[in-house]
Amino acid sequence: KAGVTQTPRYLIKTRGQQVTLSCSPISGHRSVSWYQQTPGQGLQFLFEYFSETQRNKGNFPGRFSGRQFSNSRSEMNVSTLELGDSALYLCASSLEQARYGYTFGSGTRLTVV
Amino acid sequence: SQQGEEDPQALSIQEGENATMNCSYKTSINNLQWYRQNSGRGLVHLILIRSNEREKHSGRLRVTLDTSKKSSSLLITASRAADTASYFCATANFGNEKLTFGTGTRLTIIP
Repeated sequence: KAGVTQTPRYLIKTRGQQVTLSCSPISGHRSVSWYQQTPGQGLQFLFEYFSETQRNKGNFPGRFSGRQFSNSRSEMNVSTLELGDSALYLCASSLEQARYGYTFGSGTRLTVV
Repeated sequence: SQQGEEDPQALSIQEGENATMNCSYKTSINNLQWYRQNSGRGLVHLILIRSNEREKHSGRLRVTLDTSKKSSSLLITASRAADTASYFCATANFGNEKLTFGTGTRLTIIP
């Protein structure tokens, strides 16, 4: 079966702009989570969605937002980009909560200049 | 914030040797998972161990969990060049719907 698909793979944006990242989970997976990975902070949890509802949110400013659609596809948006937002953004899907292993996408590498 | 530390931060061994990585965490957990990441790509799920389990095997992987010490270890036996990657432990608590990752161990297998 197809894995978790993230688009785009690479993105370069200018400070102050906004960006939208997309994630298509494995078919049948209703939980989608987003993580930010940077050399300094490591892997940090952004938010998790299940059946279009956000169930948990990490400690990120309100500039970071997300949503999930009825087909379980998810998007995350970052507004007013800052240099520190440069990171690898990873999406993960799972059957149910954290009871099972997550399947991660290949990530979107965002560079803010 | 990250759950805990992984030790060592970096490890280089000869192909064929065994590699052991350790993970410590801070709070009670429902399960602990290990992931591999190659060169800044996505994470690959390796193995999950539940809080009521003490040891689990999967192929060349052996994971132990000591909830009294809040620690886990991952053993990779008979290492191969393809095992070169970063390895992360992640803890899960049902109800808060997220994984909390450790700092990772960078493993290099020398052919």
